[in-house]
Amino acid sequence: EIVLTQSPATLSLSPGERATLSCRASQSIDTQLAWYKQKPGQAPRLVIYDVSNRAAGIPARLSGSGSGTDFTLTISSLESEDFAVYYCQHRYSWPPTFGGGTTVEIK
Amino acid sequence: DVQLVESGGDLVQPGGSLRLSCIASGFIFSNYGMAWVRQAPGKRPEWVSTIGESGNDPLYLDSVKGRFAISRDNSKDTLFLQMHSLRVEDTALYYCAKYRSLTSGSVFDHWGRGTLVTVSS
Repeated sequence: EIVLTQSPATLSLSPGERATLSCRASQSIDTQLAWYKQKPGQAPRLVIYDVSNRAAGIPARLSGSGSGTDFTLTISSLESEDFAVYYCQHRYSWPPTFGGGTTVEIK
Repeated sequence: DVQLVESGGDLVQPGGSLRLSCIASGFIFSNYGMAWVRQAPGKRPEWVSTIGESGNDPLYLDSVKGRFAISRDNSKDTLFLQMHSLRVEDTALYYCAKYRSLTSGSVFDHWGRGTLVTVSS
Protein backbone atom coordinates (compact mmCIF):
# COMPACT_ATOMS: atom_id res chain seq x y z
CA GLU A 1 0.00 0.00 0.00
CA ILE A 2 1.28 3.44 -0.92
CA VAL A 3 1.55 5.84 2.01
CA LEU A 4 1.00 9.56 1.48
CA THR A 5 2.53 11.95 4.02
CA GLN A 6 1.32 15.53 4.13
CA SER A 7 3.10 18.50 5.65
CA PRO A 8 2.71 20.64 7.55
CA ALA A 9 -0.13 19.29 9.66
CA THR A 10 -1.38 22.82 10.24
CA LEU A 11 -0.77 26.04 8.35
CA SER A 12 -1.77 29.28 10.11
CA LEU A 13 -2.06 32.12 7.61
CA SER A 14 -3.94 35.36 7.05
CA PRO A 15 -6.32 36.09 4.16
CA GLY A 16 -4.34 37.25 1.14
CA GLU A 17 -1.27 35.20 2.03
CA ARG A 18 0.14 32.34 -0.05
CA ALA A 19 -0.30 28.76 1.12
CA THR A 20 1.98 25.90 0.12
CA LEU A 21 0.92 22.36 1.03
CA SER A 22 3.11 19.32 0.51
CA CYS A 23 2.30 15.65 -0.16
CA ARG A 24 4.99 12.96 -0.37
CA ALA A 25 4.37 9.42 -1.62
CA SER A 26 6.21 6.34 -0.32
CA GLN A 27 6.93 5.32 -3.92
CA SER A 28 6.54 6.91 -7.33
CA ILE A 29 2.93 7.53 -8.35
CA ASP A 30 3.74 9.24 -11.64
CA THR A 31 1.18 12.07 -11.90
CA GLN A 32 -1.74 10.17 -10.42
CA LEU A 33 -2.50 12.47 -7.55
CA ALA A 34 -5.59 14.42 -6.56
CA TRP A 35 -6.35 17.00 -3.88
CA TYR A 36 -9.58 17.37 -1.95
CA LYS A 37 -10.82 20.13 0.33
CA GLN A 38 -13.04 19.42 3.33
CA LYS A 39 -14.84 21.91 5.53
CA PRO A 40 -16.30 20.91 8.92
CA GLY A 41 -19.48 18.88 8.60
CA GLN A 42 -19.10 18.54 4.83
CA ALA A 43 -17.96 15.84 2.46
CA PRO A 44 -14.58 16.16 0.74
CA ARG A 45 -14.67 18.13 -2.50
CA LEU A 46 -12.35 17.44 -5.43
CA VAL A 47 -10.17 20.47 -6.19
CA ILE A 48 -7.28 19.13 -8.31
CA TYR A 49 -6.81 15.86 -10.22
CA ASP A 50 -3.82 14.40 -12.06
CA VAL A 51 -1.51 16.80 -10.21
CA SER A 52 -2.49 20.04 -11.89
CA ASN A 53 -5.98 19.89 -13.40
CA ARG A 54 -8.54 22.00 -11.58
CA ALA A 55 -11.95 20.42 -11.03
CA ALA A 56 -15.11 22.17 -12.17
CA GLY A 57 -15.73 25.43 -10.35
CA ILE A 58 -12.31 25.61 -8.68
CA PRO A 59 -10.72 29.08 -8.95
CA ALA A 60 -7.38 29.67 -10.65
CA ARG A 61 -5.70 30.76 -7.40
CA LEU A 62 -5.44 27.02 -6.58
CA SER A 63 -2.74 25.19 -8.51
CA GLY A 64 -0.92 21.88 -8.24
CA SER A 65 2.49 20.66 -9.27
CA GLY A 66 4.90 17.76 -8.90
CA SER A 67 5.52 14.25 -10.16
CA GLY A 68 6.93 10.98 -8.92
CA THR A 69 6.91 11.24 -5.13
CA ASP A 70 6.70 14.96 -4.30
CA PHE A 71 3.66 17.13 -4.88
CA THR A 72 2.51 20.62 -3.97
CA LEU A 73 -0.83 22.39 -3.75
CA THR A 74 -0.48 26.17 -3.83
CA ILE A 75 -3.14 28.73 -3.02
CA SER A 76 -1.78 32.02 -4.32
CA SER A 77 -3.87 34.38 -2.20
CA LEU A 78 -6.05 32.91 0.52
CA GLU A 79 -9.72 33.80 0.65
CA SER A 80 -12.15 32.93 3.45
CA GLU A 81 -13.54 29.90 1.62
CA ASP A 82 -10.05 28.37 1.35
CA PHE A 83 -9.66 27.78 5.09
CA ALA A 84 -10.29 24.05 5.39
CA VAL A 85 -8.55 20.67 5.58
CA TYR A 86 -6.84 19.49 2.39
CA TYR A 87 -6.17 15.83 1.61
CA CYS A 88 -4.06 14.38 -1.17
CA GLN A 89 -5.04 11.01 -2.69
CA HIS A 90 -3.33 8.74 -5.22
CA ARG A 91 -4.92 6.48 -7.82
CA TYR A 92 -1.72 4.73 -8.94
CA SER A 93 -2.51 1.29 -7.52
CA TRP A 94 -5.03 -0.51 -5.30
CA PRO A 95 -6.01 0.58 -2.78
CA PRO A 96 -6.20 4.30 -3.49
CA THR A 97 -5.14 6.01 -0.27
CA PHE A 98 -5.37 9.47 1.26
CA GLY A 99 -2.82 11.53 3.10
CA GLY A 100 -3.31 12.61 6.69
CA GLY A 101 -4.39 16.11 5.77
CA THR A 102 -3.20 19.69 6.18
CA THR A 103 -5.41 22.13 8.03
CA VAL A 104 -5.25 25.67 6.66
CA GLU A 105 -6.48 27.89 9.48
CA ILE A 106 -6.92 31.62 9.92
CA LYS A 107 -4.06 33.21 11.83
CA ASP B 1 -26.86 19.02 -10.53
CA VAL B 2 -25.32 15.74 -9.40
CA GLN B 3 -26.80 14.49 -6.14
CA LEU B 4 -25.86 11.43 -4.10
CA VAL B 5 -28.02 10.63 -1.08
CA GLU B 6 -26.94 7.88 1.29
CA SER B 7 -29.08 6.08 3.84
CA GLY B 8 -29.05 2.98 6.01
CA GLY B 9 -26.49 3.91 8.63
CA ASP B 10 -27.31 2.96 12.20
CA LEU B 11 -25.99 1.85 15.58
CA VAL B 12 -25.26 -1.88 15.45
CA GLN B 13 -23.56 -4.37 17.75
CA PRO B 14 -20.28 -6.03 16.81
CA GLY B 15 -20.99 -8.96 14.49
CA GLY B 16 -24.13 -7.32 13.14
CA SER B 17 -25.13 -6.42 9.60
CA LEU B 18 -26.26 -3.31 7.75
CA ARG B 19 -27.16 -2.42 4.19
CA LEU B 20 -26.30 1.05 2.95
CA SER B 21 -27.97 2.63 -0.07
CA CYS B 22 -27.08 5.62 -2.23
CA ILE B 23 -29.60 7.13 -4.64
CA ALA B 24 -28.02 9.06 -7.49
CA SER B 25 -29.48 11.80 -9.67
CA GLY B 26 -28.34 14.49 -12.09
CA PHE B 27 -26.17 12.22 -14.26
CA ILE B 28 -26.40 8.99 -16.25
CA PHE B 29 -25.73 6.59 -13.39
CA SER B 30 -25.03 3.56 -15.61
CA ASN B 31 -22.13 5.40 -17.30
CA TYR B 32 -19.97 5.77 -14.19
CA GLY B 33 -18.06 3.67 -11.75
CA MET B 34 -19.01 4.27 -8.12
CA ALA B 35 -17.32 3.84 -4.78
CA TRP B 36 -17.83 3.83 -1.04
CA VAL B 37 -15.35 5.85 1.00
CA ARG B 38 -15.50 6.03 4.79
CA GLN B 39 -14.14 8.48 7.30
CA ALA B 40 -13.85 7.82 11.02
CA PRO B 41 -14.21 10.90 13.26
CA GLY B 42 -11.11 13.08 13.03
CA LYS B 43 -9.39 10.70 10.59
CA ARG B 44 -8.48 10.74 6.92
CA PRO B 45 -10.89 9.32 4.34
CA GLU B 46 -10.44 5.62 3.55
CA TRP B 47 -11.52 3.99 0.29
CA VAL B 48 -13.66 0.91 0.95
CA SER B 49 -14.99 -0.47 -2.32
CA THR B 50 -15.47 0.26 -6.03
CA ILE B 51 -17.84 -1.13 -8.64
CA GLY B 52 -17.75 -0.73 -12.42
CA GLU B 53 -20.47 0.86 -14.53
CA SER B 54 -22.24 -2.41 -15.24
CA GLY B 55 -21.71 -3.92 -11.81
CA ASN B 56 -18.58 -5.75 -12.78
CA ASP B 57 -15.13 -5.86 -11.25
CA PRO B 58 -15.89 -5.06 -7.60
CA LEU B 59 -12.83 -4.22 -5.56
CA TYR B 60 -12.46 -4.08 -1.79
CA LEU B 61 -10.18 -2.82 0.91
CA ASP B 62 -8.42 -5.87 2.37
CA SER B 63 -9.91 -5.36 5.83
CA VAL B 64 -13.49 -5.63 4.48
CA LYS B 65 -13.00 -8.45 1.95
CA GLY B 66 -15.37 -11.30 2.62
CA ARG B 67 -17.51 -9.14 4.91
CA PHE B 68 -18.73 -6.33 2.63
CA ALA B 69 -20.38 -6.60 -0.80
CA ILE B 70 -20.91 -3.70 -3.19
CA SER B 71 -23.66 -3.81 -5.81
CA ARG B 72 -25.75 -1.49 -7.95
CA ASP B 73 -29.15 -1.36 -9.60
CA ASN B 74 -28.82 0.78 -12.72
CA SER B 75 -32.59 0.66 -13.31
CA LYS B 76 -33.05 2.49 -10.00
CA ASP B 77 -29.87 4.63 -10.05
CA THR B 78 -28.91 3.12 -6.72
CA LEU B 79 -25.66 1.91 -5.19
CA PHE B 80 -25.54 -0.51 -2.26
CA LEU B 81 -23.09 -1.71 0.35
CA GLN B 82 -24.04 -4.85 2.25
CA MET B 83 -21.98 -5.12 5.43
CA HIS B 84 -21.73 -8.25 7.60
CA SER B 85 -19.66 -9.20 10.65
CA LEU B 86 -19.26 -5.56 11.55
CA ARG B 87 -16.39 -4.59 13.81
CA VAL B 88 -15.85 -1.62 16.10
CA GLU B 89 -13.20 -0.37 13.66
CA ASP B 90 -15.83 -0.13 10.90
CA THR B 91 -17.38 2.82 12.75
CA ALA B 92 -17.33 5.79 10.37
CA LEU B 93 -19.29 8.11 8.15
CA TYR B 94 -19.77 6.23 4.88
CA TYR B 95 -19.79 8.31 1.71
CA CYS B 96 -21.01 7.31 -1.71
CA ALA B 97 -18.71 8.77 -4.36
CA LYS B 98 -18.87 9.06 -8.15
CA TYR B 99 -15.92 8.46 -10.45
CA ARG B 100 -14.97 11.52 -12.51
CA SER B 101 -15.05 9.64 -15.82
CA LEU B 102 -14.77 6.24 -17.47
CA THR B 103 -11.03 6.67 -17.82
CA SER B 104 -10.18 8.80 -14.80
CA GLY B 105 -9.21 6.03 -12.44
CA SER B 106 -10.07 6.55 -8.78
CA VAL B 107 -10.79 10.27 -8.84
CA PHE B 108 -14.02 11.08 -7.03
CA ASP B 109 -15.67 14.22 -8.35
CA HIS B 110 -18.92 14.09 -6.39
CA TRP B 111 -19.66 12.83 -2.90
CA GLY B 112 -22.84 12.42 -0.89
CA ARG B 113 -23.29 13.82 2.62
CA GLY B 114 -22.65 10.40 4.14
CA THR B 115 -24.49 7.99 6.42
CA LEU B 116 -23.17 7.18 9.91
CA VAL B 117 -22.36 3.61 10.89
CA THR B 118 -21.62 3.08 14.58
CA VAL B 119 -20.52 -0.36 15.74
CA SER B 120 -20.66 -0.64 19.51
CA SER B 121 -21.94 -2.91 22.23
